[in-house]
Parts: sequence; C-alpha cells; structure tokens
Amino acid sequence: GQQLNQSPQSMFIQEGEDVSMNCTSSSIFNTWLWYKQDPGEGPVLLIALYKAGELTSNGRLTAQFGITRKDSFLNISASIPSDVGIYFCAGSYNTDKLIFGTGTRLQVFP
Amino acid sequence: SAVISQKPSRDICQRGTSLTIQCQVDSQVTMMFWYRQQPGQSLTLIATANQGSEATYESGFVIDKFPISRPNLTFSTLTVSNMSPEDSSIYLCSLPGLAGNEQFFGPGTRLTVL
Repeated sequence: GQQLNQSPQSMFIQEGEDVSMNCTSSSIFNTWLWYKQDPGEGPVLLIALYKAGELTSNGRLTAQFGITRKDSFLNISASIPSDVGIYFCAGSYNTDKLIFGTGTRLQVFP
Repeated sequence: SAVISQKPSRDICQRGTSLTIQCQVDSQVTMMFWYRQQPGQSLTLIATANQGSEATYESGFVIDKFPISRPNLTFSTLTVSNMSPEDSSIYLCSLPGLAGNEQFFGPGTRLTVL
C-alpha cells in the first residue's frame, strides 16, 4: 500500500542535541499525525495537526503542517535518553484511514 | 483516552495453524482498526471493523486469511489463518479519538510463525 516517505531513516545523536525529521507525500493531506513507538509497544500519539501551516508544540516537541499540505516536520529540542524510539508520521485526507510513514529510528547517546 | 488491551501479547505458532487476537476497549466505540507491522517496517492497515457490519478490508488483505469479528462496541478479534512464516508480525488494533482523524493504538500482539 501507499506509504509516506520519512527522513532520515535513522539518527544517532548526543544527548542535548536538537533533532529534525520530516515526512513527504505525493498527495495532499488534511491531517498529519506524529507517533512514537517504543520496543514492544504500540505507537503513542505525540502531536496532531489539522491545518496547513499549523505549528503545534508538546513539551520539547514541535511539529508543523506544511503549507503545500504534502509534508510535515517534527523537531525535538534538547534530546534526552528517553527520546529513543521509532517516530512515525501518518496522514489522512477526508477519511478515517491513516497512511503511515516509513519511520525514523532515533538513538540518543549520553 | 480509552484503555486498549490486546491478548495475547505475544505468541509463537506453527505454520498451518490459526491464531485469534483479541482487542478489548474500556469504552464503546463504533469503529476499530486492525494493522500489521512486519519486522522493521511501518504500519499497514488490514481492515476497518464497524460493529454490526462486515469488516472492510484493504487491498492485499482478504477475509479468508484475516477474519474479523466485532460482536459488540468494546471488543473485536482478528484471526490469522493458516499461518506461514511470512505472517510473523506485530498486529495492532486501534480506535479513533474524539477529534479529527487521530487514532489510539493497543500494545500490539507479536506473532512469530515457525
């Protein structure tokens, strides 16, 4: 099925650094979601975006709904060890069905 | 948000057998979703399960292989039939939130087929 292109595929950073990842689609969406998945668990919703250009924060996390409606960005500031995990974007357009990105695996070194 | 539980949390099965995965929610929801996450991969929607009607399957998934039951508004099952090693995956149920198209996921069932 269709997937969103997410980059980078993986990141290895030092604690305290900022992180940026993005997600792109060939078609427009009217909902962008960002999830984090820890090993052995289901994805947990971090941020939901519903309007083009929208910028939303959740603690150290900030996500933006791209103006073109074909992309979204997630930034994590001042990373900490518990930020380790896989981050997925997901999008939908006028439907309950979500299309997921390929994932960004984040590793944080102390 | 609702509490979602899945049983079993993991299982190891022999090829040719079937496994039924349960998803229990602590509140009533009309719509539930079932996803597959193959090793190291992203999530792919298997089907949408509405209470009182047959599940709607996505391209590449069929009812004979993944029969779904939705007997009430708090429970659903997904059966993985006639399993092969290629069915080794994490299977997740989800339900919609109150706002927009957000979804909340259960903890998943990790299936290994030998």
